[in-house]
Amino acid sequence: DFQVTQSPSSLSASVGDRVTISCRTSQNIITFLNWYQEKPGKAPKLLIYAASTLQTGVPPRFSGSGSGTDFTLTISNLQPEDFATYYCQQTHSPPWMFGPGTKVEVK
Amino acid sequence: QVQLQESGPGLVKTSLTLSLTCTVSGGSISTDSYYWNWIRQHPGKGLEWIGFINYFGNNYYNPSLRSRVLMSVDTSKNQFSLRLTSMTAADTAVYYCARLVMFRGAPRGMDVWGRGTTVSVSS
Repeated sequence: DFQVTQSPSSLSASVGDRVTISCRTSQNIITFLNWYQEKPGKAPKLLIYAASTLQTGVPPRFSGSGSGTDFTLTISNLQPEDFATYYCQQTHSPPWMFGPGTKVEVK
Repeated sequence: QVQLQESGPGLVKTSLTLSLTCTVSGGSISTDSYYWNWIRQHPGKGLEWIGFINYFGNNYYNPSLRSRVLMSVDTSKNQFSLRLTSMTAADTAVYYCARLVMFRGAPRGMDVWGRGTTVSVSS
């Protein structure tokens, strides 16, 4: 099975900051990597699929990059509504595991 | 606009079987453009993928749960279901159903999610 890790597990940031979250997989998944945002009491929301393609309706301050085993989610100009937990997920081969999550908190 | 809605008991007794149903509205479940998934989240924890089923019945379950999981699809009702046997307190979680997009046979992300249903296990 793939192992999916994320770093950091949490970070503190301020509105307007640029935030970077890393996701690493134990095997080459090409670009079969998705990013989700989760807020308390709500279902996760798809932000990015195929490593770098923005889901319809997601603000362009979110971007994704990477291929192979190393991936990055970047939030430029962090907004108040972006404080949440972010998960990566590999869909190269089932089981389609999620990373453990990164919580973005107010500094 | 496609919506998913989970339904089922909020409380299950230890050792019994959980049965959840996800109803798809605003679109058909009978398409090879999507795979239908179950995901759960233990209290205060991350997301755990349980498995998927497609409309012609192919499925894949998380190996950690495979011995206890059964998924099915009912195209006449536009629903898919999850059964999880031998429930214990460790199965207490919020259970989500979600649609995963298949594009040219390649899986993309889960673009539509249900609101989730809380399941507690108690003796």
